[in-house]
Amino acid sequence: SAVISQKPSRDICQRGTSLTIQCQVDSQVTMMFWYRQQPGQSLTLIATANQGSEATYESGFVIDKFPISRPNLTFSTLTVSNMSPEDSSIYLCSVGGQGWTGELFFGEGSRLTVL
Amino acid sequence: QKEVEQDPGPLSVPEGAIVSLNCTYSNSAFQYFMWYRQYSRKGPELLMYTYSSGNKEDGRFTAQVDKSSKYISLFIRDSQPSDSATYLCAMTLGGSYIPTFGRGTSLIVHP
Repeated sequence: SAVISQKPSRDICQRGTSLTIQCQVDSQVTMMFWYRQQPGQSLTLIATANQGSEATYESGFVIDKFPISRPNLTFSTLTVSNMSPEDSSIYLCSVGGQGWTGELFFGEGSRLTVL
Repeated sequence: QKEVEQDPGPLSVPEGAIVSLNCTYSNSAFQYFMWYRQYSRKGPELLMYTYSSGNKEDGRFTAQVDKSSKYISLFIRDSQPSDSATYLCAMTLGGSYIPTFGRGTSLIVHP
């Protein structure tokens, strides 16, 4: 299993500002995933972050809005840029288990409210 | 039509009841099926994982997959208040690391 720490756990932000979410894993992992969980909606993958290369974004998500860094095998950041109330959501960092079994380990999430 | 449909609930049951949670899906290429449990203000955690059609049991939990009907279920026997959480179904295509999630069903087990 993997232990994932996310910061901040929650924040209230003003429209037009940007916020960076940090994700720290207790072991080295190749792929890290960033998800968004909006109220009443399914978990939606924003991007996959591989160390040493640019993140791969899913349809509907762009690098200018959600820049991601992956400086090493245990750490990643997601920035939500130029926020609007529609960005109010829970953002979750995730990693896969050893050997593909379909299991994902999640952090506790960062709950953002944009006013 | 979404790829994975799941009734968001909430589903409220008395302690000790048998709970049935369900998902339907449209893509017959899905091969791996999972159930995650998410407590309030926590991240999801994997409960059950199945590959083939049929039943898989783990303690009070039974996962059922019917590929011919594109239907999966999670049964909880002797439900406890500690089972109160949101349950998300998820499924992946063969060779993919990325699951497609349902919306989650909120379960409330009251004493």
